[in-house]
Amino acid sequence: DGGITQSPKYLFRKEGQNVTLSCEQNLNHDAMYWYRQDPGQGLRLIYYSQIVNDFQKGDIAEGYSVSREKKESFPLTVTSAQKNPTAFYLCASSSGWDGVSPLHFGNGTRLTVT
Amino acid sequence: DQQVKQNSPSLSVQEGRISILNCDYTNSMFDYFLWYKKYPAEGPTFLISISSIKDKNEDGRFTVFLNKSAKHLSLHIVPSQPGDSAVYFCAASALGFGNEKLTFGTGTRLTIIP
Repeated sequence: DGGITQSPKYLFRKEGQNVTLSCEQNLNHDAMYWYRQDPGQGLRLIYYSQIVNDFQKGDIAEGYSVSREKKESFPLTVTSAQKNPTAFYLCASSSGWDGVSPLHFGNGTRLTVT
Repeated sequence: DQQVKQNSPSLSVQEGRISILNCDYTNSMFDYFLWYKKYPAEGPTFLISISSIKDKNEDGRFTVFLNKSAKHLSLHIVPSQPGDSAVYFCAASALGFGNEKLTFGTGTRLTIIP
């Protein structure tokens, strides 16, 4: 079955540590995205990539970094510079990036930083 | 500034009745709208979309209505079933812009009462 796999489902880290969230897709989609969801807020875009070896900052990129070395993979690193890292993180992909191609989401990673 | 608003955080509906979820937007550039459904601890899944050239789009039990003059859209679910209990997000984009410009509402939690 094609889809997006995010791992781990739950992640706990101490403040000051960097942490990397995994996102793998086998949908053969060019475009991939990272969103953050906080209670009472809509999904907010952290980073996106339209093609391998290229990525762009979204609305809330500060304190995050990404790489796109392979089409299937788009890992997100939450750095110690991110002031409020505890959140639910969603990875998504789409067959096009034209605004009408629906996003396919993974099941998310809940990160808790104490 | 919330450009896509879902003013009802929650809604309870009796099984078999109609569920109506509302969404308002402020940006007149938006001309494509999508609804996503999200179960707990899972990623959102695409449900239905509508372009601004239409005022209605139907898919089985789900119908989305668009009122451009009021900048309002609604999702109707008829008849409502227990499996429809989820959080529903509306999202808006402007044709000509990519998915990176997709703006999400804050979601409405729908509970279907058996």
